Amino acid sequence: QKEVEQNSGPLSVPEGAIASLNCTYSDRGSQSFFWYRQYSGKSPELIMFIYSNGDKEDGRFTAQLNKASQYVSLLIRDSQPSDSATYLCAVTATTDSWGKLQFGAGTQVVVTP
Amino acid sequence: EAGVVQSPRYKIIEKKQPVAFWCNPISGHNTLYWYRQNLGQGPELLIRYENEEAVDDSQLPKDRFSAERLKGVDSTLKIQPAELGDSAVYLCASSPFSYEQYFGPGTRLTVT
Repeated sequence: QKEVEQNSGPLSVPEGAIASLNCTYSDRGSQSFFWYRQYSGKSPELIMFIYSNGDKEDGRFTAQLNKASQYVSLLIRDSQPSDSATYLCAVTATTDSWGKLQFGAGTQVVVTP
Repeated sequence: EAGVVQSPRYKIIEKKQPVAFWCNPISGHNTLYWYRQNLGQGPELLIRYENEEAVDDSQLPKDRFSAERLKGVDSTLKIQPAELGDSAVYLCASSPFSYEQYFGPGTRLTVT
């Protein structure tokens, strides 16, 4: 079982709609959760992080965390063609040294005009 | 603020040859990471430095990979000898504290 799992996609989203991305993790002791955006041929770019249960909003992005269900999600409101990218979920691994991130394989999002 | 700098951006070598990658982190970031990313996968940590000290190198293939971070700033990752399976993107990241990591542009390595 992979430690961080994401649907690979592609997730096709009409322009202006909400994109919903999901991530589950296996390490119950994980404390910090990150979403990175990666354009094709580029490096990952940090867009959101969340440490506490509940929702965290930043512009058009909302991260949702449910530690009991070991589930973190990312919502992208009013999706734009520029949001087309692969979104990587990353989780801290509490059994390892401080700061080690476990990444999922990513979900590809395609926003269609 | 300048980002993480890496060089070279692309490298093509024949198997069994050596190769080295260089990284300059964001100024003031004490923590530096080297990751490897294979196509269609997320980055995988190779080694993490806190200043000059390698605090996590458990996933670094030490028979052929080595790394150093002299003076706690720039870092070099070396592979000798390279194998076909080493073809990947090598990413350097830095952070001011341990969790929020910022990535450089990466080096795309092709081993033929």
